[in-house]
Amino acid sequence: NFMLTQPHSVSESPGKTVTISCTRSSGSIASNYVHWYRQRPGSAPTLVIYVDNQRPSGVPDRFSGSIDSSSNSASLTISGLKTEDEADYYCQSYDSSNPVVFGGGTKLTVL
Amino acid sequence: QVTLRESGPALVKPTQTLTLTCTFSGFSLTTSGMCLSWIRQPPGKALEWLALIDWDDEKYYNTSLKTRLTISMDTSSNQVVLIMTNMDPVDTATYYCARMWGGRSFDHWGQGALVTVSS
Repeated sequence: NFMLTQPHSVSESPGKTVTISCTRSSGSIASNYVHWYRQRPGSAPTLVIYVDNQRPSGVPDRFSGSIDSSSNSASLTISGLKTEDEADYYCQSYDSSNPVVFGGGTKLTVL
Repeated sequence: QVTLRESGPALVKPTQTLTLTCTFSGFSLTTSGMCLSWIRQPPGKALEWLALIDWDDEKYYNTSLKTRLTISMDTSSNQVVLIMTNMDPVDTATYYCARMWGGRSFDHWGQGALVTVSS
């Protein structure tokens, strides 16, 4: 089984840009799609990036995703931070043996 | 539009069996590529995937919980059921059902059902 490791927390000021990483422990990050979810307090998660770098309709283009094979990690970047972006963010991927693997989540504070 | 709703007991006693139902609308689980999963989240903790059932009635389980879980679907009533045996206080969590279709991402989630395990 592989794991997805995320920083426990990140913080940044409104208007700035923040990047949240998601590092895969074994196997290539590029072999299977990575997806990202936002979870606001008291709410269910919602999809913000799918198949590495695609935004569902309704998600602003301030959200972007990328893959870096050299570090075997995926990243979620949020630009022009707003206080409403404050939430927990989870990455998710899979492989042939593990249909679903979630990262441990990152708490984003916008202060 | 796509909707999912979890239902089941809010409180179960240790050693009891939990049965949760996900009632969905706006799509057919028999559509090729369609899947439905159960995911849980203990208070203040991360998401944990539990089980998945696909359009072909193939079932997949979290290996660490496999012996306690059973997932099944009733396409006539648009429901997916999760059974978890031998409940323990550490199983206290919000249980979500979520749809997966294409690219293996969860594009729709239910609101979640909080299940507390306590005597």
